[in-house]
Amino acid sequence: GQQVMQIPQYQHVQEGEDFTTYCNSSTTLSNIQWYKQRPGGHPVFLIQLVKSGEVKKQKRLTFQFGEAKKNSSLHITATQTTDVGTYFCAGPGSGGYNKLIFGAGTRLAVHP
Amino acid sequence: DTAVSQTPKYLVTQMGNDKSIKCEQNLGHDTMYWYKQDSKKFLKIMFSYNNKELIINETVPNRFSPKSPDKAHLNLHINSLELGDSAVYFCASSSPGWGNNEQFFGPGTRLTVL
Repeated sequence: GQQVMQIPQYQHVQEGEDFTTYCNSSTTLSNIQWYKQRPGGHPVFLIQLVKSGEVKKQKRLTFQFGEAKKNSSLHITATQTTDVGTYFCAGPGSGGYNKLIFGAGTRLAVHP
Repeated sequence: DTAVSQTPKYLVTQMGNDKSIKCEQNLGHDTMYWYKQDSKKFLKIMFSYNNKELIINETVPNRFSPKSPDKAHLNLHINSLELGDSAVYFCASSSPGWGNNEQFFGPGTRLTVL
């Protein structure tokens, strides 16, 4: 079946260091979404990428969608303690109606 | 005003009991979802309703029965609870075809089965 794989599972960084999480799909995706879940919180939508090779920035966050539309990455520059949480990528599943297949998530810990 | 709300926030119960979780969204969305997040944070869709009609039904034990009385509400009833049902259950909503297709999640219900 369709799979969305995400690595690494965990990442510990010192405040100020950069962080990257990678997402790979077993199938070509029409789009990919990224969500952030703070500890004890719920997933919150960050961004959606649609075009092949697309790059979008949100302040210190840079999102990329691969040329083949099967992989994506999220890069955070100069992490802050407020970046702590789990970052999920999600791709559309079969069946329509915005069914999402989530990656396993990357849990980011930032040490001050 | 909370966009997607769930009750209760915490639910502790014994094995074998029946329990319900309620969800409401005031975003005017057509589609609502139930997700299960296990202890390893893996987020998996269980059900989805579009305008009160069941459209996604993943491989979930039939002890789980969703019900949508109207498009703003989606409830989840669980019969004969088992230890493995312990998880955080998230409700979400979206309107596919509107802009980003983003899903808005509720705060979650942490279910603990003893």
